[in-house]
Amino acid sequence: KAGVTQTPRYLIKTRGQQVTLSCSPISGHRSVSWYQQTPGQGLQFLFEYFSETQRNKGNFPGRFSGRQFSNSRSEMNVSTLELGDSALYLCASSQSGAIKGDTQYFGPGTRLTVL
Amino acid sequence: KQEVTQIPAALSVPEGENLVLNCSFTDSAIYNLQWFRQDPGKGLTSLLLIQSSQREQTSGRLNASLDKSSGRSTLYIAASQPGDSATYLCAVYRETSGSRLTFGEGTQLTVNP
Repeated sequence: KAGVTQTPRYLIKTRGQQVTLSCSPISGHRSVSWYQQTPGQGLQFLFEYFSETQRNKGNFPGRFSGRQFSNSRSEMNVSTLELGDSALYLCASSQSGAIKGDTQYFGPGTRLTVL
Repeated sequence: KQEVTQIPAALSVPEGENLVLNCSFTDSAIYNLQWFRQDPGKGLTSLLLIQSSQREQTSGRLNASLDKSSGRSTLYIAASQPGDSATYLCAVYRETSGSRLTFGEGTQLTVNP
């Protein structure tokens, strides 16, 4: 079974631009969560989608948004990029989400650099 | 607010040594705890998941224990190998936290040949 895939793997953007990241979960998984990882803050939860609905949201500004499609693929969008948005963005998939105690399987991440 | 702490932050050992990584959490009302491994610049690989009703889980040379009452978990790695070098993260999940995992800062392990 293929693992979680994320595209693109690397992105370089400038301040003020917007960016869209994509995540394809493991086949059969309906939950996709997004995390931001930085050296200073570690791993922080952004949001979780389940069956095309946002089920939970972390403490990030409204510039961070996401959506999930009927095939469970998910996209995350960051508008008006700031230098502090530079990070590794990870998505995780599971059958029903952490809410059901499922193991979370992570993708390789997208490294975003904002100049 | 749930806080997760991992000690030590970094650890360097010679090949073949048995070692223990520690994870502590402030709120004992967790649903489960998961240990991950992260190689530099890569995503997270799930190692072991322990449900709150369990005391330990084993996979190969890895053994993870959970003591909810004291808010602690340990990851035991037997006969360490250079390929075990990575950052190890623990994450806890609480039923009241929706679907978010709360992660520790990780322990960076180096196993020297």
